[in-house]
Amino acid sequence: DTAVSQTPKYLVTQMGNDKSIKCEQNLGHDTMYWYKQDSKKFLKIMFSYNNKELIINETVPNRFSPKSPDKAHLNLHINSLELGDSAVYFCASSQWGASGRLAYNEQFFGPGTRLTVL
Amino acid sequence: DQQVKQNSPSLSVQEGRISILNCDYTNSMFDYFLWYKKYPAEGPTFLISISSIKDKNEDGRFTVFLNKSAKHLSLHIVPSQPGDSAVYFCAASEEGGAQKLVFGQGTRLTINP
Repeated sequence: DTAVSQTPKYLVTQMGNDKSIKCEQNLGHDTMYWYKQDSKKFLKIMFSYNNKELIINETVPNRFSPKSPDKAHLNLHINSLELGDSAVYFCASSQWGASGRLAYNEQFFGPGTRLTVL
Repeated sequence: DQQVKQNSPSLSVQEGRISILNCDYTNSMFDYFLWYKKYPAEGPTFLISISSIKDKNEDGRFTVFLNKSAKHLSLHIVPSQPGDSAVYFCAASEEGGAQKLVFGQGTRLTINP
């Protein structure tokens, strides 16, 4: 009955490889996000999708490509991995309110995927 | 340029006493503020929030205070319990900001028995 789940939980890979992280939410939310928590522990937004449409795209290298096949899923594919991509990646979801704004802006987070690039 | 700052990386408090976690922000367009709590190997979980039209919001042992003129908010936990030991993140968003949350770097709270 996990609300927001991510796979895998840990990912160790070599530089230059391509990898994907999957996220699924069963909360019925229509908005999903990817965040990156770097070595300094800052949590920074990368992408957001609302009803499968990209609405936030921060300054992220185009090696990162999110894909949302449906409202319940948001996957993150990373090409040509670099050492600096090592971080914990969190998926989150939320629901837009009737006013066009998130109801209380509350976002529900997954457990994170720790990516280590060697 | 960090728009949300938590200047205390860690805080240690005796069980039963009050814990006060602080957060400062620089963007005057922020109008909604949240606190998240994070245990190791888990994602952040929502704790409490406050709109800029208020200066205080209370939920059980947790109270958030907002001082807009100082661009400062704080989270009070009273009484503190061992289960409160976690990392606390302050976050903020602005109207029309596409629901983007901007997080501080977190404060690790340790409650000592």
